[in-house]
Amino acid sequence: SAVISQKPSRDICQRGTSLTIQCQVDSQVTMMFWYRQQPGQSLTLIATANQGSEATYESGFVIDKFPISRPNLTFSTLTVSNLSPEDSSIYLCSVAAMLALNTEAFFGQGTRLTVV
Amino acid sequence: AQSVTQPDIHITVSEGASLELRCNYSYGATPYLFWYVQSPGQGLQLLLKYFSGDTLVQGIKGFEAEFKRSQSSFNLRKPSVHWSDAAEYFCAVGCSGGGADGLTFGKGTHLIIQP
Repeated sequence: SAVISQKPSRDICQRGTSLTIQCQVDSQVTMMFWYRQQPGQSLTLIATANQGSEATYESGFVIDKFPISRPNLTFSTLTVSNLSPEDSSIYLCSVAAMLALNTEAFFGQGTRLTVV
Repeated sequence: AQSVTQPDIHITVSEGASLELRCNYSYGATPYLFWYVQSPGQGLQLLLKYFSGDTLVQGIKGFEAEFKRSQSSFNLRKPSVHWSDAAEYFCAVGCSGGGADGLTFGKGTHLIIQP
């Protein structure tokens, strides 16, 4: 299994600023994912982050707005840049890790971002 | 591209009554299907998953789900709900086991339990 620690758990930011969210995993994992959950909505995949390569972004998400780092197999950061109120969401980190004989997706507690 | 539809935004059930949450998916190949629960202030917890084999899948907390290929459905059921089951439930589909390529989620169903 995998235990994921996300920081910060919540933040209130001024528009035009940036927020960097950290995701720490207690084991080495190949695949890490970042999701966004807008108020009252479901989770939407932002990007997939693999160690040693650039993140792969889903349609509608770009690197300039959501730069991602993946310096090693246990850590990743997501930055939400040039914040606007529309960026107010919960951002979740997820990893694919082995559980018994299967691969399973594990999720962090999320970071609740409010942009004012 | 895959998609997931959860037609019920809110469902209210009396404690002790049975529950069924609907999920329909669209995917070109054999899907990997998941149900997650998100309690207030908590992270996502996996309830159960379907990869292959027996179409009736047992999960944690007394939940089960049945994969019906002909209906493109993966409905979640519980014979008797408890007040602690009040939460948001998400159905998800992936194109590989365990969500190793990322998951596509439905919009969620908010479950309310009446005393």
